[in-house]
Amino acid sequence: DQQVKQNSPSLSVQEGRISILNCDYTNSMFDYFLWYKKYPAEGPTFLISISSIKDKNEDGRFTVFLNKSAKHLSLHIVPSQPGDSAVYFCAASRSGGYNKLIFGAGTRLAVHP
Amino acid sequence: DVKVTQSSRYLVKRTGEKVFLECVQDMDHENMFWYRQDPGLGLRLIYFSYDVKMKEKGDIPEGYSVSREKKERFSLILESASTNQTSMYLCASSMGGKTETQYFGPGTRLLVL
Repeated sequence: DQQVKQNSPSLSVQEGRISILNCDYTNSMFDYFLWYKKYPAEGPTFLISISSIKDKNEDGRFTVFLNKSAKHLSLHIVPSQPGDSAVYFCAASRSGGYNKLIFGAGTRLAVHP
Repeated sequence: DVKVTQSSRYLVKRTGEKVFLECVQDMDHENMFWYRQDPGLGLRLIYFSYDVKMKEKGDIPEGYSVSREKKERFSLILESASTNQTSMYLCASSMGGKTETQYFGPGTRLLVL
């Protein structure tokens, strides 16, 4: 039973346009959410995070939105660049306990010129 | 820069062999993690450790064990490799706080024949 779901395995976007990657979760105990980016043959790297006390967090071209009532978060990349082409993983952690993350299956983003 | 290194990028083993995957981090991090990444399943936590000689089971510990004798080193052991353990194995480390970023190594692609 996947507690963190990324229902779109892939997304294709034109350079300069907005990329929107979506993530749903089922566990209401999750209180911290992250996005990681992974290039082939490399480990995932941290991109951006959001606490459940916020509904938006922005870092340059990347913005994460959290809708707690819908148990949904999204990552917006504006403008998209070819170097953004990678697999994006959504992750969540529960209140209390250690720094233990539950990851989604990932969405492969392709940004084409 | 945080550096997490994994002993091998590629490994080919035979069914029934004992397999050791080594991970070393150079940032004095308290937490260390082992994940496996499979298509359509994302990253799944096998084991983690929050201190030397301490270990906790993750979501899929069956068929694996771990060892953390020194703070900087976390080993994953497959006692008797099976074909369903063919996967990409990723090691990560982080500081002790719950919201601390996890830093990943480049991964070890293991093929069990």
